[in-house]
Amino acid sequence: QSALTQPASVSGSPGQSITISCTGTSSDVGYYNYVSWYQQHPGKAPKLMIFDVSNRPSGVSNRFSGSKSGNTASLTISGLQAEDEADYYCSSYTTSSTLVFGTGTKVTVL
Amino acid sequence: EVQLLESGGGLVQPGGSLRLSCSASGFTFSSYAMSWVRQAPGKGLEWVSDISGNSGSTNYADSVKGRFTISRDNSKNTLYLQMNSLRAEDTAVYYCAKCGSRMVRGVLYYYCYYGMDVWGQGTTVTVSS
Repeated sequence: QSALTQPASVSGSPGQSITISCTGTSSDVGYYNYVSWYQQHPGKAPKLMIFDVSNRPSGVSNRFSGSKSGNTASLTISGLQAEDEADYYCSSYTTSSTLVFGTGTKVTVL
Repeated sequence: EVQLLESGGGLVQPGGSLRLSCSASGFTFSSYAMSWVRQAPGKGLEWVSDISGNSGSTNYADSVKGRFTISRDNSKNTLYLQMNSLRAEDTAVYYCAKCGSRMVRGVLYYYCYYGMDVWGQGTTVTVSS
């Protein structure tokens, strides 16, 4: 159950778009379309931003979008805003009937 | 309002035990799968365990298998995590989370791989002598 691989940090200026990658294996990201993304502000609980690779829960801004190609999933934040500065984690179901999170990415708004 | 409130965290010596509780409100608790996720100080999220609505299915991370037991009491709308043989590396904030649901061909399914859509505020467990 190795963690999915994410870049440690990604940054962008307000209004720009950034993309966070999440690389797994053919036993998790590559096998199922059950990739979720979570946003976590310091000292707060995580918040679900994307489920089933590309679906947004009600109330989540359409500036957040998800996709997947092979063993790599991606989260794109368009029109970057100061409030988007947070840690982001991907998660995937695995063929072992477990869940695995990514290593986490710190997003900085310059 | 859907709410989850964890309790039971604290300081425990290595090798000791602790039981965490998560009190749920605002939704039909017995229908939904539930999960525990932890976060060590300054580290990322780690999925720990999940349980189906009727307790018929449970899953565990390898790091806790054989030491932790997840359970629920649907009559009390409460989720539990019994933690035994605790180690220093179990030190973390423990979150409980409500798992998502999906309608497929007219049938509602409840699985944690649909995403965890409601989280508690967390309870801190410190394992140290």
